[in-house]
Amino acid sequence: DIQMTQSPSSLSASVGDRVTITCQASQDISNYLNWYQQKPGKAPKLLIYDASNLETGVPSRFSGSGSGTDFTFTISSLQPEDIATYYCQQYDNLPRVFTFGPGTKVDIK
Amino acid sequence: QVQLQESGPGLVKPSETLSLTCAVSGYSISSGYYWGWIRQPPGKGLEWIGSIYHSGSTYYNPSLKSRVTISVDTSKNQFSLKLSSVTAADTAVYYCARHGYSSSWYLDYWGQGTLVTVSS
Repeated sequence: DIQMTQSPSSLSASVGDRVTITCQASQDISNYLNWYQQKPGKAPKLLIYDASNLETGVPSRFSGSGSGTDFTFTISSLQPEDIATYYCQQYDNLPRVFTFGPGTKVDIK
Repeated sequence: QVQLQESGPGLVKPSETLSLTCAVSGYSISSGYYWGWIRQPPGKGLEWIGSIYHSGSTYYNPSLKSRVTISVDTSKNQFSLKLSSVTAADTAVYYCARHGYSSSWYLDYWGQGTLVTVSS
């Protein structure tokens, strides 16, 4: 089974800072990697699919990159409303399984 | 706009069966897509439980497969989750969601979630 790791597990940054989260897969997953934002008490929200495609309606300060085993999620200018936990997710065909990373909690400094 | 809404008991006794339903509006399940269940224990991360196609084809998380049944009722535009022999470890917020697909599979529409507590 493919395992997903994320780093850091948490971070604090100032408003306007550039924030970067990494996600690593235990084997090559091409670009089959998605990113979600989950605010406290809310359902996760899809932000990025296929590693780098911005979901409709998501602000352009969010971006994703990477392929193979190493992926990056970036917030170009952190806003107060971006306080949330961010999860990466991959889908494996054999067996058919969705796997989420452990999450990265983002706070305002 | 696709909307999903979970419903079911908020309290289940140990060893009993957890049953939840997800009602879909704004889209006909019969038109396609996979539909899934995901859970999140308090203060922890997300765990995919399983998914179903409108035809009834299912696939489950291997770690839960022996206890999970997901079914679909296209006439009511809803799908359901049953998790048997529950323990306190099954206490979680349970979400239903729709699968989207491009190069990869992702979850593009989610319900608000419902907390299920397993306790006597």
